[in-house]
Amino acid sequence: DTGVSQDPRHKITKRGQNVTFRCDPISEHNRLYWYRQTLGQGPEFLTYFQNEAQLEKSRLLSDRFSAERPKGSFSTLEIQRTEQGDSAMYLCASSPRQGGETQYFGPGTRLLVL
Amino acid sequence: SQQGEEDPQALSIQEGENATMNCSYKTSINNLQWYRQNSGRGLVHLILIRSNEREKHSGRLRVTLDTSKKSSSLLITASRAADTASYFCATRRNTGTASKLTFGTGTRLQVTL
Repeated sequence: DTGVSQDPRHKITKRGQNVTFRCDPISEHNRLYWYRQTLGQGPEFLTYFQNEAQLEKSRLLSDRFSAERPKGSFSTLEIQRTEQGDSAMYLCASSPRQGGETQYFGPGTRLLVL
Repeated sequence: SQQGEEDPQALSIQEGENATMNCSYKTSINNLQWYRQNSGRGLVHLILIRSNEREKHSGRLRVTLDTSKKSSSLLITASRAADTASYFCATRRNTGTASKLTFGTGTRLQVTL
């Protein structure tokens, strides 16, 4: 396994701009998760996919946020009209169908909104 | 919202000493997991303990779980400088979206030579 990868690793944007992050899970992992982590805090759950179906969204995921996993493989997380409060590390994780309790995390995308 | 709370928030020890971190949570759980995060990086899974287990070992790690007190502890024995990181407990609930993990606020461990 090559591990979970995320792109980009860092993103600086101006307030009001749209940004999109990509996550490639470990191959054959059917579950994919997005979390957000702010400085000094633990990760907070944003959303969860099983294959291509988005099964849960946190209330943290406002209508400016949208996530997709169209073919059940990679996923994208888009933030529209970014705000300074969106500055955080966005973490992606995946887990397999069997023994899926352990989640394997990517390196994260650090977003800074100016 | 954060369910777990780790204690202490920060811990500084010398290499070779043991480090103990505690985690408290609020709801009934299916399992509790500990993850490590090096500065500015992703999380690495360390160990999982199920709600019907009381203690588990993995190498230099020892985890205990007390469901009556809704608390867990992580012991790292014979610490090394490479253990310097933040440690998070994460719980998986019994109901709702079973796969969702709820993380605590973390303990920042510094191991000095």
